[in-house]
This record gives sequence, C-alpha cells and structure tokens, in this order.
Amino acid sequence: SQTIHQWPATLVQPVGSPLSLECTVEGTSNPNLYWYRQAAGRGLQLLFYSVGIGQISSEVPQNLSASRPQDRQFILSSKKLLLSDSGFYLCAWSVIGGYGYTFGSGTRLTVV
Amino acid sequence: KQEVTQIPAALSVPEGENLVLNCSFTDSAIYNLQWFRQDPGKGLTSLLLIQSSQREQTSGRLNASLDKSSGRSTLYIAASQPGDSATYLCAVVEGYKLSFGAGTTVTVRA
Repeated sequence: SQTIHQWPATLVQPVGSPLSLECTVEGTSNPNLYWYRQAAGRGLQLLFYSVGIGQISSEVPQNLSASRPQDRQFILSSKKLLLSDSGFYLCAWSVIGGYGYTFGSGTRLTVV
Repeated sequence: KQEVTQIPAALSVPEGENLVLNCSFTDSAIYNLQWFRQDPGKGLTSLLLIQSSQREQTSGRLNASLDKSSGRSTLYIAASQPGDSATYLCAVVEGYKLSFGAGTTVTVRA
C-alpha cells in the first residue's frame, strides 16, 4: 500500500534561519507531489507541485523553494525564514487517473 | 479562478442528528471533487472522492453528492457521533491543482 511520510512534525526556527522540510512517498511510482500551506484561520494554499524529477511549478511568489531530487522525494526549503512563513505545511501526492489526493501528517512551523 | 465556498462555517448538533455540509464551486469544468476531514493540528484524511462523471459516492454513514451543472456538492453524515467532530473540507480538482474551501467545523454534542 502507499504511504506518505513527512518530517519533522513540529519545528521552531528563528527569523533568518534556513529551512528544510522533507516528504517521501512509498508504494507508488512517478507520483505528482505537492506542498500546501495552511496559515492560522485561513484555507489551504498550494505552494508548489511537481510532475517529475527536477520539475517544479510554483503557484505563488514567496520566500520558499522546492526540489525533487528523487522520484518519491519532495523537499521544501528556504534560505532565510520570515515571520510570515509560520504555518502548517502539508505534503501530498496523487497519480494520473483520478484516484484522489493523499496528504501527509503535516509540519507545524513557528518562526520566532 | 475557481472559488470554493463551504456553508455553514461551523455547525453544532446533538449526537444522533444527521449532518448536511454544503460545498459550492464557481467553475464546473472540474476533474473530480474530494471531501476531507481534518482533526485539530493534524493532516487531512480523505473521506470520499467523486469523479466528474459520478453523481454520488457512499462510504458507511457518509454520502456525498455532486451536481456539476449547478456547481454544488453535499456531504451527508448519518446518525452523527461525538467522534465525527472535526473540520470538513471539500476540494475540487482542476488539472494538477486542488482548490479548497475554508471548511465547516462540526461539533457533535454527547
């Protein structure tokens, strides 16, 4: 069966520090991968998606970047965190064919 | 741009009552629609997926309908239980993108 792993679960980082969040998927090949952010009191916002290794599409201009070094690995990064980067970050995967989206357990990021 | 609206924003019912959660979307050219549940501080759990060619999906006490022409979906939860307390999110799929509503927060009182 397919599983998605996301870590860390919680993270407290100072302003100006770097960020690296990792997401891996098991049990499927060539998934579409996504990073979403859920800010306090707001809806889910798509940040990045990837349809293949090295292929990254950005939905909104921001302080973050994403990379896909392997087929089932998706990384969210920042060189210098801002207070406004605080939020709940969710990784997700899907495959062509409409079987829906599966989300990871999320990372709660607090920038202080 | 797709706009997804969920009404009501919050709902409180006594245990045993049936729940009706509404979702509307502005662009009917969707690939499919998915309902999720989110518990506080947790990720999203998929409840039901409705393909664009389908009118409804059922799983246990849950039933979701889809009317693309009117841009509406409804999630019914029968005989609610305190464990159903959570935020319910609907999301429409267009291409690679999921567009989410803001959610309905449900409280089931014992």
